Amino acid sequence: QKEVEQNSGPLSVPEGAIASLNCTYSDRGSQSFFWYRQYSGKSPELIMFIYSNGDKEDGRFTAQLNKASQYVSLLIRDSQPSDSATYLCAVSTGANSKLTFGKGITLSVRP
Amino acid sequence: KAGVTQTPRYLIKTRGQQVTLSCSPISGHRSVSWYQQTPGQGLQFLFEYFSETQRNKGNFPGRFSGRQFSNSRSEMNVSTLELGDSALYLCASEGDKGGQETQYFGPGTRLLVL
Repeated sequence: QKEVEQNSGPLSVPEGAIASLNCTYSDRGSQSFFWYRQYSGKSPELIMFIYSNGDKEDGRFTAQLNKASQYVSLLIRDSQPSDSATYLCAVSTGANSKLTFGKGITLSVRP
Repeated sequence: KAGVTQTPRYLIKTRGQQVTLSCSPISGHRSVSWYQQTPGQGLQFLFEYFSETQRNKGNFPGRFSGRQFSNSRSEMNVSTLELGDSALYLCASEGDKGGQETQYFGPGTRLLVL
């Protein structure tokens, strides 16, 4: 069964620190990788996606992909209390294929 | 563009009843996926519709069904409700973002089965 695993968490970091969220996946055919953020009581919203090995930066967020090791991570620099949410990793095996989500990790940023 | 809309937002049903949830995708999006989210299982894929055809299906019993209309609006139906069907049901429409097909979620329908 194709799985996406995330650290069980929760993760707590002080304001201004770097938060590192990790995700591993089992299907070597996976091609696209997504990070969603979900605030309590709200629906998931896309933060960013990555499909090439290496780093991709968008503001305070950096996604890192290593297909050989089958992991994808999300770094949040200068963490803010407003970043406190559940972060979901999702994986797709290609066009027209479904997204498989991890169970998410809850991040708490302490002021 | 308006976002994905779902109706109703909240629903209370009793065991054995059936329920129909509706989803209107972002204008121009032709793919709609449905997910069930529970605290224990996380976000689980139900099915996806594209151009009125089911393109992908998750591992849910046949009590869960869906359909898509020619205007891309989608409905999902759950028959013979069980207590375990209490969950947040999310739909997502898919569109292009920077060359990558990306899913955008609606606000969800929270279903409580008593």
